[in-house]
Amino acid sequence: DVKVTQSSRYLVKRTGEKVFLECVQDMDHENMFWYRQDPGLGLRLIYFSYDVKMKEKGDIPEGYSVSREKKERFSLILESASTNQTSMYLCASSLWSIAQSSYEQYFGPGTRLTVT
Amino acid sequence: GQQVMQIPQYQHVQEGEDFTTYCNSSTTLSNIQWYKQRPGGHPVFLIQLVKSGEVKKQKRLTFQFGEAKKNSSLHITATQTTDVGTYFCAPHTGTYKYIFGTGTRLKVLA
Repeated sequence: DVKVTQSSRYLVKRTGEKVFLECVQDMDHENMFWYRQDPGLGLRLIYFSYDVKMKEKGDIPEGYSVSREKKERFSLILESASTNQTSMYLCASSLWSIAQSSYEQYFGPGTRLTVT
Repeated sequence: GQQVMQIPQYQHVQEGEDFTTYCNSSTTLSNIQWYKQRPGGHPVFLIQLVKSGEVKKQKRLTFQFGEAKKNSSLHITATQTTDVGTYFCAPHTGTYKYIFGTGTRLKVLA
């Protein structure tokens, strides 16, 4: 089974702090993603990476950066946390599935971040 | 940019009733995925639709892709309490990227 793990389930940080969210997948997937999930807004893509050291902006990259030094690990960084970044953060990875002819995504359990 | 609307936002049904959620895009789609997220859980991939007019079934779930490839639907026959959760459509927007709809939260009353 594919396993995607995230470093914390719950995190509380203060405004202005630098925050690191870590994601690790164990299935050698090329693609990794960071989303945030807010009520009524669905999942919004922050950044994604299709290879080591490669990254592309998603729909809402402002205030975030990412790092992918190893294939299995994708980190999301909040340079200076703000209260409007309080949210559920979901990491996902994907690989081309021959059976489904698709890049089905496997999600981690999520990190609920509260910025006070 | 591309917009994806999912309706309804919420749906409460009695156990045994049918349920349908609709996903509408402003642009023609190459393919679309559907995911389910149980309360407190994370999204789990259900299926992908690629062809115009395609219909796929998974037990009580029927997925349909519109003829114009701008809309899709998920229909659940005779809902059960295990169907509770939020259902997301996710149209394909780039080589690796999918945009997620706002989701439909289903509550099944026993």
